Amino acid sequence: KQEVTQIPAALSVPEGENLVLNCSFTDSAIYNLQWFRQDPGKGLTSLLLIQSSQREQTSGRLNASLDKSSGRSTLYIAASQPGDSATYLCAVRKETSGSRLTFGEGTQLTVNP
Amino acid sequence: SAVISQKPSRDICQRGTSLTIQCQVDSQVTMMFWYRQQPGQSLTLIATANQGSEATYESGFVIDKFPISRPNLTFSTLTVSNMSPEDSSIYLCSGRLAGIPQQFFGPGTRLTVL
Repeated sequence: KQEVTQIPAALSVPEGENLVLNCSFTDSAIYNLQWFRQDPGKGLTSLLLIQSSQREQTSGRLNASLDKSSGRSTLYIAASQPGDSATYLCAVRKETSGSRLTFGEGTQLTVNP
Repeated sequence: SAVISQKPSRDICQRGTSLTIQCQVDSQVTMMFWYRQQPGQSLTLIATANQGSEATYESGFVIDKFPISRPNLTFSTLTVSNMSPEDSSIYLCSGRLAGIPQQFFGPGTRLTVL
């Protein structure tokens, strides 16, 4: 059974700091990994998706990397802003499970002005 | 991308009653899913909504409790039946378009059961 773990559970940083969020998964036979952002009481916004054949994806100040063999992904946020405050979730899609996503429990990020 | 809307956005219900949540997608999606997010926890898949046939439920979820309909490629409903306070959660609809690997989510329905 696929298990997804995110560390840290919560993170508080001053504005402008660069930061890294971590995601690990137990079964390396994944199809892709997706990072989401969730604002309080809201749905999920897709940030980045990395296919299993890729090493990283970038969008603006966000960079996600994937090391499939070691079961790890990181989300790097450069020059953090208060508007980045949210919960960040990673989710993996396993090759043999159709389109089902398995989610981690998230990292709650607070960026202080 | 796909834009997914849900109705209602939130509701407060009495124990023993049922609530039907609607999910509308602006594009024809190949796959539609219903997830539950209990307070302070991550998302758990309830079921895959199949067009014109019975939904495929995950372990721990049953049709009598969470009946799902999907009459076409853009619409689905989830009913939470005979509710108890333990059903208080955010329920999220999700979809995937053909040929696009991303999965998109609706804004969620926040349910409180008294």
